[in-house]
Amino acid sequence: DIQMTQSPSSLSASVGDSVTITCRASQDIRNSLAWYQQIPGKAPKLLLYAASRLESGVPSRFSGSGSGTDYTLTISSLQPEDFATYYCQQYYNTPQAFGPGTRVDIK
Amino acid sequence: QGQLVQSGPEVKKPGASVKVSCKASGYKFTSYGLTWVRQAPGQGLEWLGRVSGYNGNTNYAQKLQGRVTMTIDTSTSTAYMDLRSLRSDDTAVYYCARIALAGWLDYWGQGTVVTVSS
Repeated sequence: DIQMTQSPSSLSASVGDSVTITCRASQDIRNSLAWYQQIPGKAPKLLLYAASRLESGVPSRFSGSGSGTDYTLTISSLQPEDFATYYCQQYYNTPQAFGPGTRVDIK
Repeated sequence: QGQLVQSGPEVKKPGASVKVSCKASGYKFTSYGLTWVRQAPGQGLEWLGRVSGYNGNTNYAQKLQGRVTMTIDTSTSTAYMDLRSLRSDDTAVYYCARIALAGWLDYWGQGTVVTVSS
């Protein structure tokens, strides 16, 4: 099974800051990676897929990059509605594991 | 726009079974699969398995093998997840989500709270 890790597990930032979250897979997942945002009490929301493709309707301040085993999610100019937990997920093969999540808090 | 609506909260005793439904609308049900994901209180997301909306073929997480069954009813565009021999650590919010094209999850249900308690 492919294992997913994320770092950091949490971070504190201010409105307007740029933040980067890293996701690492235990083997090459060939860009088969999605990022989700979850606000407490709500279902996850798709942000990006295929490592760097922005889902329709998602603001352009969200961007993704990476290849092989290492991927990043960058949020430029954090907005108040961006304080949430972010998860990566590989869909290269089953089980399609999620990373443990990164919580982004207000500093 | 696709939409997934799940059944309501459940409270079960250890050893019992629960069946959660996920009704799809706004898209052709048989053209997409569905994944089930759960989230224990204060924890992250756990992939449970997936079911084809076309023919009902399934893949399950190994830790649930033998206790979980995922099915579909194409006449009502509804997917079901049946979890048996419930334990306290099955207490979680259970989500269904549509599998888009190559495998990412583009639409999510609102979640169903399942509580297992004696």
